[in-house]
Amino acid sequence: GQNIDQPTEMTATEGAIVQINCTYQTSGFNGLFWYQQHAGEAPTFLSYNVLDGLEEKGRFSSFLSRSKGYSYLLLKELQMKDSASYLCAVYNQGGKLIFGQGTELSVKP
Amino acid sequence: GAVVSQHPSWVICKSGTSVKIECRSLDFQATTMFWYRQFPKQSLMLMATSNEGSKATYEQGVEKDKFLINHASLTLSTLTVTSAHPEDSSFYICSASEGGTGNTIYFGEGSWLTVV
Repeated sequence: GQNIDQPTEMTATEGAIVQINCTYQTSGFNGLFWYQQHAGEAPTFLSYNVLDGLEEKGRFSSFLSRSKGYSYLLLKELQMKDSASYLCAVYNQGGKLIFGQGTELSVKP
Repeated sequence: GAVVSQHPSWVICKSGTSVKIECRSLDFQATTMFWYRQFPKQSLMLMATSNEGSKATYEQGVEKDKFLINHASLTLSTLTVTSAHPEDSSFYICSASEGGTGNTIYFGEGSWLTVV
């Protein structure tokens, strides 16, 4: 089976750091994506990890451990506009992108 | 850069009618496209894989006779929701991969379907 788990919702304060975790069990693995999605809009690409380790891109970083089936997305210097849903998705062996349920992040002043 | 375009962005149709949504890869050829459905406050659920020149493959629980997929060219896939019902109201979104590697997956803008 395929299972991708992430917290349903999180709350953080403007200017702070937040880490959104994702664990996965899928049929094969060809990479893990993080997307940001605002209500009513298409997902926006944030990061792609295929090898173990940390990928940093500005205020956003993503980490992957393939042996543990684990990834996290780290958001630094949070801004109000970062309030959105964050989707973890695994690109499996069949060439399909399978999504977790998404984490709704609320950034408070 | 590569772009995937969907049309229409919004559509309202009456119960029992059919509606077609188009997904186009604008500057690359896509032998495979994917169709997702997203209900409010839920994640994207893969409905089917659209294969150019052959039949689509559907995920478990998705009715192939209700959600007709046609991928007649390397740049166009269509999803037709037949005999639409209010419970089919949802956000439908397609994706396509350029080159078949994971980090070149592009999403369309999505299509909001409301069945009244």
